[in-house]
Formats: sequence, C-alpha cells, structure tokens
Amino acid sequence: LAKTTQPISMDSYEGQEVNITCSHNNIATNDYITWYQQFPSQGPRFIIQGYKTKVTNEVASLFIPADRKSSTLSLPRVSLSDTAVYYCLVGFYNQGGKLIFGQGTELSVKP
Amino acid sequence: ETGVTQTPRHLVMGMTNKKSLKCEQHLGHNAMYWYKQSAKKPLELMFVYNFKEQTENNSVPSRFSPECPNSSHLFLHLHTLQPEDSALYLCASSQDGASPPSGDTQYFGPGTRLTVL
Repeated sequence: LAKTTQPISMDSYEGQEVNITCSHNNIATNDYITWYQQFPSQGPRFIIQGYKTKVTNEVASLFIPADRKSSTLSLPRVSLSDTAVYYCLVGFYNQGGKLIFGQGTELSVKP
Repeated sequence: ETGVTQTPRHLVMGMTNKKSLKCEQHLGHNAMYWYKQSAKKPLELMFVYNFKEQTENNSVPSRFSPECPNSSHLFLHLHTLQPEDSALYLCASSQDGASPPSGDTQYFGPGTRLTVL
C-alpha cells in the first residue's frame, strides 16, 4: 500500500543543520520525490525535488539513496523563520499515480 | 504570492447550506487540484483536473462537486455538508498534470478555512 512516513516533529536551534527523513518503500521507477514547506494559514510551498542521488538548490539539499526507499531533506543553518511543517510527496506512479503526502514534520527552531 | 488565489478565505456554513469555493490561477498551468487538510492530518487529494477534464476523484462524497470551466478556474460546490467536513481546503495548480504526477511542481493557494456547524 502506498505510504510515506515522516517524523511528527523535530526541534532544532538557530544555525544548526536539520535533516528530515521520509520513508517511501513502494516508490516506483517513474516517481519523483518532492518536499514542501507550510506555514500556518498558508498553502504548502515547493522547496526541492529529486529523483536520485543528490539535489541542491539555494535553500536545501535532498539526498536519495540508491534504492530510493527513503529521502532526506537537509536544511543548512536553520533560522527562526524555518519553523514550519515540512511534507514529502511521492506520486506512487505504479499505484495509479496517487499523490501521497507524508503526515508532515513540524520543525521548531529555537533561538 | 504563488499566483493561485482562493476565495473566500474563511467560510462558516450550516449543514443545509449550499456554498461554493473558488480558485483561480494566473500561471498559465493546465492542471488544477483540490486538497482537504484536516487538523493534524496530511493533505488529502480530492480531485484533479487536467486540461479541464477530471482525471482523478479520490472517492470523495457526492456532497462535494467540482467544476472546472477552463484551465484557470476551479470551483468546489458544497451542499449538505457534515461537521467532519470542517477543514482547510487547498487549491493547487501545476504546469501539466500528465504522468508522472509527482514530477510536476504544484503551486498552492492560501486555502479556504471551512467550518460546518
């Protein structure tokens, strides 16, 4: 059954690197892995997307091991404004293209 | 701003009312989505429209009725809702809803906070 699993919450301090892992055991060959950030009273916002190995942009990195059954979002040197909920999304193309969001990881960054 | 607007931002309705949620995207995208987000739960995909055609209906009750008159507008018509339907309803768009769906970046609106009394 298609499912993505993330930790419910994480705490961090300003300036630290934060790594959030998502498990997606039934990912299909065609599927991408996408991460979104959501602040209260707002819709999710795209952070990064990857297919395999490593992807880096100006705000985050995404690490995907060879078996692609998990992925790790890495936020370098977080600040208070990074306090938000982070969701991973997998399409599970081999199961009818169901877009399955993880339950979200609530990241709290403390001063 | 993401280029996706939703109105109203807040809606309170009784179980016998009929109301509609509106979504508009200014990005020239061809795919639009409705999601439901309940408290402490992940986003649940409700409907997908690709080039104005409904391509996905995730077993949503018939009291929710989507309408997509063109690629820029999406509506969600509501009637005889239940209190458990209270949630944040999010609209999103993407360039192309073609497969694989997970490869298409979605742009979300701010949502409509719906309360059913």
